[in-house]
Amino acid sequence: QVQLVESGGGVVQPGRSLRLSCAASGFTFSSSPMHWVRQAPGRGLEWVTLLSYDGSITYYADSVRGRFTISRDNSKNTLYLQMNSLRPEDTAVYYCVRDRAMSFDSWGQGTLVTVSS
Amino acid sequence: QSALTQPASVSGSPGQSITISCIGTSTDVGGYTHVSWYQQYPGKAPKLMIYEISNRPSGVSNRFSGSKSGNTASLTISGLQAEDEADYYCSSYTNRNPRVFGGGTKLTVL
Repeated sequence: QVQLVESGGGVVQPGRSLRLSCAASGFTFSSSPMHWVRQAPGRGLEWVTLLSYDGSITYYADSVRGRFTISRDNSKNTLYLQMNSLRPEDTAVYYCVRDRAMSFDSWGQGTLVTVSS
Repeated sequence: QSALTQPASVSGSPGQSITISCIGTSTDVGGYTHVSWYQQYPGKAPKLMIYEISNRPSGVSNRFSGSKSGNTASLTISGLQAEDEADYYCSSYTNRNPRVFGGGTKLTVL
């Protein structure tokens, strides 16, 4: 079955960087567009970024454009999110999500990122 | 991109039906068929319940149904059960960003 396992979360100071990883299994990763979606504590879901199946096309929410970079290594079945210039408002659980039929088809368990001094 | 508008909360008694609305514009909900719905329990990852307005993934109960009229999408849960108590989110493709979410609706089963 589809499995998405995020890692790399933790506590980081404002202005610093962090890289999240998502290990995928149980499906053809190299054929699937992939998203990152986040959820601040006690808040709703926020779409963050989308990467095409081959890594050639990216989209970003206005709130992270220029600071976050999504990438993938299809040989390792792994999705990444490089987060730079982190702000307190980036504090959230970050979910790795598969796109299928233009929907968020399968979700990882999430990894918590806390930006605090 | 502004979030889609959902009621903050809805409630119903076991066995009843409830409907959650998701109001957008012609640049998102009204302009595309790519509307989906998600169920989320506290502390858990969301789960896809409806895609492409009204399609149910395998394994999702047929008590869940979706529809769309103009700029408003709706999720209806019939035969309400205690296990349906959760947060529900709608999402749509938009002409500016690939996706936008609604603010979420907390469903309480009385």
